[in-house]
Amino acid sequence: TQLLEQSPQFLSIQEGENLTVYCNSSSVFSSLQWYRQEPGEGPVLLVTVVTGGEVKKLKRLTFQFGDARKDSSLHITAAQPGDTGLYLCAGGSSNTGKLIFGQGTTLQVKP
Amino acid sequence: NAGVTQTPKFQVLKTGQSMTLQCAQDMNHEYMSWYRQDPGMGLRLIHYSVGAGITDQGEVPNGYNVSRSTTEDFPLRLLSAAPSQTSVYFCASDPQGGQGSEQYFGPGTRLTVT
Repeated sequence: TQLLEQSPQFLSIQEGENLTVYCNSSSVFSSLQWYRQEPGEGPVLLVTVVTGGEVKKLKRLTFQFGDARKDSSLHITAAQPGDTGLYLCAGGSSNTGKLIFGQGTTLQVKP
Repeated sequence: NAGVTQTPKFQVLKTGQSMTLQCAQDMNHEYMSWYRQDPGMGLRLIHYSVGAGITDQGEVPNGYNVSRSTTEDFPLRLLSAAPSQTSVYFCASDPQGGQGSEQYFGPGTRLTVT
């Protein structure tokens, strides 16, 4: 069974601080996606990484896929209250065609 | 495009009742999925479909049925509701089926079983 472990599960920081969320597995994934979810809504895709070692930047957000394609990280620089939400990583398997989701990281950024 | 739509938004059921959660998409995506979201457990796959007439079980299929008679619609049926099925249910579609393509999620149905 493929599992994705996200850490930390909860994070409460002040505006302007930096943070990193981790997504780890013992399984290899063909792709790794990060979603952001706001209360009362469905998750929305932030980024997809498919190559081991790949780094993608989205404004203040930096996403990295591990060299072995078993782990990923999301780094936010100078967090803002608008970054508050639930962040989910999801691993894609080319064998099964399914996405496996991590438990999620709830981020609260205080003004 | 409306994207992925789900109805109802909220539902309260008594134990033993049955109901159908509706899901529709207008993006002509072949792949559709149903997930449930519980605190601390992320999204867990219930059932999925790779095209009209084809469905398969996900991680937590017990107590749920699905059918896919058209590309657009993918209803989820609860046969006999139990308190353990209290959750938020999300329907999603995507064009490639977990092959690195974006999943488009509906707004969710919050279900409470008493």
